[in-house]
Amino acid sequence: SQQGEEDPQALSIQEGENATMNCSYKTSINNLQWYRQNSGRGLVHLILIRSNEREKHSGRLRVTLDTSKKSSSLLITASRAADTASYFCGADKIIFGKGTRLHILP
Amino acid sequence: DTGVSQDPRHKITKRGQNVTFRCDPISEHNRLYWYRQTLGQGPEFLTYFQNEAQLEKSRLLSDRFSAERPKGSFSTLEIQRTEQGDSAMYLCASSLVLVRQPNTEAFFGQGTRLTVV
Repeated sequence: SQQGEEDPQALSIQEGENATMNCSYKTSINNLQWYRQNSGRGLVHLILIRSNEREKHSGRLRVTLDTSKKSSSLLITASRAADTASYFCGADKIIFGKGTRLHILP
Repeated sequence: DTGVSQDPRHKITKRGQNVTFRCDPISEHNRLYWYRQTLGQGPEFLTYFQNEAQLEKSRLLSDRFSAERPKGSFSTLEIQRTEQGDSAMYLCASSLVLVRQPNTEAFFGQGTRLTVV
């Protein structure tokens, strides 16, 4: 969607390292959500952050939101092979961009 | 109820044929969304329902596409006179949106992969 995008397009890191990916958007939002998609499968909801929140944690995930910059970041700590997937951000009913393809190297 | 269910998982059809996909949302979810995703791209919003009412349709939804949710539960997406460009993964999602709790997550099905030959 041209209403936003994820960055970088692709990211390869060693297992155990942290992975950070960013989301920028153009519209006003009520909330922002991050999703994971394994190849050929549907999207899995990871975390939702409301527009009045600045940071949220869930397990190894940390999400930040800066509504003044219209940007969000997703941090995955202590990455695992199973984290290999594409990651998308979205708001309301719109999924932004082409996603970040994360590859965890053994 | 284990989640959003889509049927079929795969569909191969000849150009010009009509196809229909079904989505069963999570029980009691009042919103249902349809998306289309082509290889290497993110999901593109097509349309969504609030209960049985179709509230929004994307410009991507041409006249050959129609979606229904007659009883506010399952939904169908029909593509008439399919074209090769319709080949894609069609994803369905559902969520429960309440006036007092508008910010809720959407749950996706596994998708229906359509191949038009």
